[in-house]
Formats: sequence, C-alpha cells, structure tokens
Amino acid sequence: DAGVTQSPTHLIKTRGQQVTLRCSPKSGHDTVSWYQQALGQGPQFIFQYYEEEERQRGNFPDRFSGHQFPNYSSELNVNALLLGDSALYLCASSLAGQSLYVEKLFFGSGTQLSVL
Amino acid sequence: AQKVTQAQTEISVVEKEDVTLDCVYETRDTTYYLFWYKQPPSGELVFLIRRNSFDEQNEISGRYSWNFQKSTSSFNFTITASQVVDSAVYFCALSEIGSSNTGKLIFGQGTTLQVKP
Repeated sequence: DAGVTQSPTHLIKTRGQQVTLRCSPKSGHDTVSWYQQALGQGPQFIFQYYEEEERQRGNFPDRFSGHQFPNYSSELNVNALLLGDSALYLCASSLAGQSLYVEKLFFGSGTQLSVL
Repeated sequence: AQKVTQAQTEISVVEKEDVTLDCVYETRDTTYYLFWYKQPPSGELVFLIRRNSFDEQNEISGRYSWNFQKSTSSFNFTITASQVVDSAVYFCALSEIGSSNTGKLIFGQGTTLQVKP
C-alpha cells in the first residue's frame, strides 16, 4: 500500500518563475492538504482540497494555487517565485471524516524547492 | 488565536535516558485535537498520537507516553529509555474542530532531539 507520494523531490528555480508540485494521496484517501515548511520552522498550512475544491486556505497569497483531480491527486502551483518561497513543501492526505472528528494526516516526504 | 509553543529548540541526551518534550497551546475553542508528529531526516512527518479535548486520559505506548493537562494547556511527550533512532525533530500540533472539519493543523516550531550513543 503506497503512502503519500510527491514529485519532484528537489527543484531549483529562479525568481519570477512558476513551479508545479505534485502529490498522490495514500490509497483510499480523498482529501489533500499542502503545507510549507521553511528551514528550522514548523509546517504552515497553505490549503486543503476535497471533492476537487479548495475547502480552506491559510494565510498565503494568491500566487499559491492548487488543483485536485478526480483521482484525488493534487497539484500546488506557485507563480512569480520569490526567494522567500524556498522551503520544503509537504503534502498530506486524509479521509474526510464526520464533523467533530479530525482524521490524522499522512504526510509525504516533500518537495524541496530552492529559489535562486 | 491558535498557537502552539515548543519552548525547547534542541535537546541532547545520552542513550537510555528519559526525555520529555514540552508543548503549550492556545485556543479559544472548547473542542480541539492535539497531535505529536516526528520528522526524521527523510523529511516525512510521522504521526505519533492524536488526543481530543474531551479525553484527558494519559496514555503509554511502549516507550512513549503523553501527559495532557487542559488546566495548563499542555500536551507533553516523554520517551523512556531513549534510543539513537529516536533522533529527529518532534512537532506538536493543534487542530480546532470547525463545521468544515478541514483538519487544518497549527504546528509548533519543533524540538530537535539528539540521542547520543
């Protein structure tokens, strides 16, 4: 049973460029969340996708956008890259639960993005 | 506002010592979940435990134990008889239970644990 897989593992871009990161959730999961983890910091929530729609968004600018496909996989797009976007981008999957219950998240190993 | 504070940035112990990682949280909600995750050098966050705000029963699982105290808003994690393989960054996280149930996690800054042989 494959866990959460992310691609690519490493990426180097220059300022102003655009990047697309990909995530395949754990088998049976239908919800994908994206987190940004700067060096030495805890992960920060970017947004979550469920039923191909953005369900909640963290405090990130519109340069960060995403998409979820019918097979539940997801993409994170970042436009007009800034040096400060350099970070580990983590994808997490879960199974949408009932209200008053928070499913545990399963994380991938992340994509290390370096912006030069 | 939600906030998770892990005051210990780095902890270094010698193998077989017990070690406690501290976590203090802030939330306005009465219903919430708390988590501990471990992040080894590979980068993947590994789930360790989930606790909801209704359940203050402390738990022991093998060498791991957790102490949840709502009165002090703390959710501490103890490793008994530490091993070199326990070396990693440990994150405490909080999730409020909203109507959308998005499971958005608020993470602390992390505590780097180094266990020396």
